[in-house]
Amino acid sequence: NAGVTQTPKFRILKIGQSMTLQCTQDMNHNYMYWYRQDPGMGLKLIYYSVGAGITDKGEVPNGYNVSRSTTEDFPLRLELAAPSQTSVYFCASSYPGGRSGELFFGEGSRLTVL
Amino acid sequence: AQSVSQHNHHVILSEAASLELGCNYSYGGTVNLFWYVQYPGQHLQLLLKYFSGDPLVKGIKGFEAEFIKSKFSFNLRKPSVQWSDTAEYFCAVNAGYSTLTFGKGTMLLVSP
Repeated sequence: NAGVTQTPKFRILKIGQSMTLQCTQDMNHNYMYWYRQDPGMGLKLIYYSVGAGITDKGEVPNGYNVSRSTTEDFPLRLELAAPSQTSVYFCASSYPGGRSGELFFGEGSRLTVL
Repeated sequence: AQSVSQHNHHVILSEAASLELGCNYSYGGTVNLFWYVQYPGQHLQLLLKYFSGDPLVKGIKGFEAEFIKSKFSFNLRKPSVQWSDTAEYFCAVNAGYSTLTFGKGTMLLVSP
């Protein structure tokens, strides 16, 4: 099993550009998440999904969009990139219900907006 | 809504010293508690977890944590740290089926 795979690992964007961070998991997990990690701030939940076709906002959803057309894939789209979106982004997945706190993380995507 | 507070942002220890990292949460009901570790340049990995039962839980690499319900605490401990324990440690909590809330993290530096 590859686990959770994120691409790209690094990306530099100009202000106003758009891009999609890809995330795929092969563990057949129902739940998937996108977090951003900023130094000294821990992880903040951007969006999550409890199954194909179902998504919901987390703590910091502004400036982002997601879709979940399959169980495996959970792409995160940044529209009109801003310097405040410079961060490390982690995709994660988990089993549903009471085990939803046991997250399996991808390697992360470091995004810089200039 | 739940929240998590980690007492120290940075901790520096010498090898073989004992470690205790503080974590407090705020939520009035039943919670699930977790510690995650992030080694330099890597993604987060689960270190240990508490759902119910024995409040002293053991995780990987000799780490353990104690849940004290009356103090809303879930402190992480290790009797003797190694240089390879240098990492950032995150406490996290969720209530029932809610999403996970993370603390801001504690950076541990172990000097050889």
